[in-house]
Amino acid sequence: GESVGLHLPTLSVQEGDNSIINCAYSNSASDYFIWYKQESGKGPQFIIDIRSNMDKRQGQRVTVLLNKTVKHLSLQIAATQPGDSAVYFCAENIKAAGNKLTFGGGTRVLVKP
Amino acid sequence: NAGVMQNPRHLVRRRGQEARLRCSPMKGHSHVYWYRQLPEEGLKFMVYLQKENIIDESGMPKERFSAEFPKEGPSILRIQQVVRGDSAAYFCASSLGVDGTQYFGPGTRLLVL
Repeated sequence: GESVGLHLPTLSVQEGDNSIINCAYSNSASDYFIWYKQESGKGPQFIIDIRSNMDKRQGQRVTVLLNKTVKHLSLQIAATQPGDSAVYFCAENIKAAGNKLTFGGGTRVLVKP
Repeated sequence: NAGVMQNPRHLVRRRGQEARLRCSPMKGHSHVYWYRQLPEEGLKFMVYLQKENIIDESGMPKERFSAEFPKEGPSILRIQQVVRGDSAAYFCASSLGVDGTQYFGPGTRLLVL
């Protein structure tokens, strides 16, 4: 099922350190996963995606890892910067069932200078 | 290339009034999705439309809510006889094709008094 939380889990990280944000997804049939970043008062911003036939995908300063065995997704941010402070959501999708996304509950990242 | 545009950005309505939320997809995108977000929660899918067709409305309440995406003009999410529980941020996303990445607009924040 979907993760719904009244209080977002928070990750505090020192500027320059690496961040790891975790997400447990619910549907073993999901075959497409996306990470979004949402800053206060703004819409979700696409960061990176991965399909279920891959275990790892890298972008600029970000890496997504997918473990289908335990239905776990993670986002790694290298050399975290103040501009990375935001709420991060993972989303899953079953392509054959259409394009609607199911979002996780989100993790707030606070970057300390 | 302009991103997804939504207006108004903020909307205040009294109970019983109607709310109309507009979404203009990215240029060339013909697939539009509406999501609702409550504070401190992830986005919840409402409806998926292509030009002139509703493809999936499984997440939209059966009463008071409707959506359209006409041949010309923006997509409209309409909420009739609003209640306080309708207060939320409503986000629109668009994609190039049915398999495409969804890009989100800045959202409309609806407040029902």
